[in-house]
Amino acid sequence: DTEVTQTPKHLVMGMTNKKSLKCEQHMGHRAMYWYKQKAKKPPELMFVYSYEKLSINESVPSRFSPECPNSSLLNLHLHALQPEDSALYLCASSQTGQNNSPLHFGNGTRLTVT
Amino acid sequence: LAKTTQPISMDSYEGQEVNITCSHNNIATNDYITWYQQFPSQGPRFIIQGYKTKVTNEVASLFIPADRKSSTLSLPRVSLSDTAVYYCLVGDKLTGGGNKLTFGTGTQLKVEL
Repeated sequence: DTEVTQTPKHLVMGMTNKKSLKCEQHMGHRAMYWYKQKAKKPPELMFVYSYEKLSINESVPSRFSPECPNSSLLNLHLHALQPEDSALYLCASSQTGQNNSPLHFGNGTRLTVT
Repeated sequence: LAKTTQPISMDSYEGQEVNITCSHNNIATNDYITWYQQFPSQGPRFIIQGYKTKVTNEVASLFIPADRKSSTLSLPRVSLSDTAVYYCLVGDKLTGGGNKLTFGTGTQLKVEL
C-alpha cells in the first residue's frame, strides 16, 4: 500500500481523446511531482509543484497539462496524445521539496495510447 | 547537474550481503544521497538517505566516504523478495522551490536460491 493514491490504475485512450490522471496525498506534503516511466527505463521527471506553484516543467509537450488544485491534489490532463506516450505515469510527493525530503511515490497509472 | 553511475545489474544468493555502489562525482555541497527500490509495475520506494559517513535503518546501511563522490548501499542477508531495481539519487535544488531528483539508470538486483 502507498500513501500516494493514483487513479485510474490503467487507462486506454485514443489519440483524439481527452483524459485526466489524478493523484492524491494526505500527508501534508508541500511538493508534488509527475514522472513518466517507459519499460525497463528509469522514471523521467516531467513536472514539479512546490507549494501549489509549478516550479519546473522539463520541456514537456503541451499535450500534457498539469494542474494542482490544492496541496493534496495533483492532476495531469491529457489531450491528443501519441502512441509513444504510452508509459507508466508516476506521481510523487515530498514533505518540503528540499533535497533531504524523500519522495513518496504512488503505484502509477499505466497509460496505453491507441 | 549531478549525475549518478551504478552497475547495470548484480546477482546474489539468498542470505548473502549485497553492496551496490553509486558514483556521483559532481555532488554539490548541500546534496543528500537517497536510495530507492522499485518492483515491476510499482512506484519507487524510499530505502535510506544520508549526507556523510554511515547511516543504518532496519533494512539497509548507507556508507558515504569523506569526499562524498560515491556511496554504497548495503543490504544484509538478502532474500528472493529483494529482487528489484535500486536507484541512487542526488538532488538538484531548484531556485523556484522543489527539488529536481533525476534518476540514473539503476541497478537490477537478482537474488536466487
